[in-house]
Amino acid sequence: GESVGLHLPTLSVQEGDNSIINCAYSNSASDYFIWYKQESGKGPQFIIDIRSNMDKRQGQRVTVLLNKTVKHLSLQIAATQPGDSAVYFCAEGLLQGGSEKLVFGKGMKLTVNP
Amino acid sequence: EAGVTQFPSHSVIEKGQTVTLRCDPISGHDNLYWYRRVMGKEIKFLLHFVKESKQDESGMPNNRFLAERTGGTYSTLKVQPAELEDSGVYFCASSPDRGNEQFFGPGTRLTVL
Repeated sequence: GESVGLHLPTLSVQEGDNSIINCAYSNSASDYFIWYKQESGKGPQFIIDIRSNMDKRQGQRVTVLLNKTVKHLSLQIAATQPGDSAVYFCAEGLLQGGSEKLVFGKGMKLTVNP
Repeated sequence: EAGVTQFPSHSVIEKGQTVTLRCDPISGHDNLYWYRRVMGKEIKFLLHFVKESKQDESGMPNNRFLAERTGGTYSTLKVQPAELEDSGVYFCASSPDRGNEQFFGPGTRLTVL
């Protein structure tokens, strides 16, 4: 699979528990931040984003927290389900002039045990 | 609505050969991006098209890589000649406007032997 050769940190949780995935970023000039989920054999799938002028945003079962003081981003998943098992990436969005790029973190593998 | 598609899904070539990857963005999306993840590394930005224009190609590793988007629709990424370190997964993404969600394709796994 795609993760061969990648030694990702792993988080294992029980179905129904809450999960927290953390990410440190480096660029204080980032305009927004995104969490992506990637399942085996698929491309990254958008979960939720947050603008740099916000510190919290909630979606369906997910909450993203942004702490710009310590350059830290977290994703909280409520009532984790087996279908949430995937690799999760945080990314910084940089808008510079007319260009745009995402800078991805290393990723964390979430395993949900039934 | 069809998502971002990429072709081929897998490609195995020998060092020194040429490979061309194709990306079809979501219809109507002016912004098209290429990223790649080589073994053990993070997903890295390669370049950004707005319609047919290269807006930012700062992530292209060297001049063996050439990306085009003639007509502002699909895009190709050619690697010539391929080297061993080019092996990895190449992702394409598209979005309607800057700052909007980027929709990713499934990726092309490139293996250079």
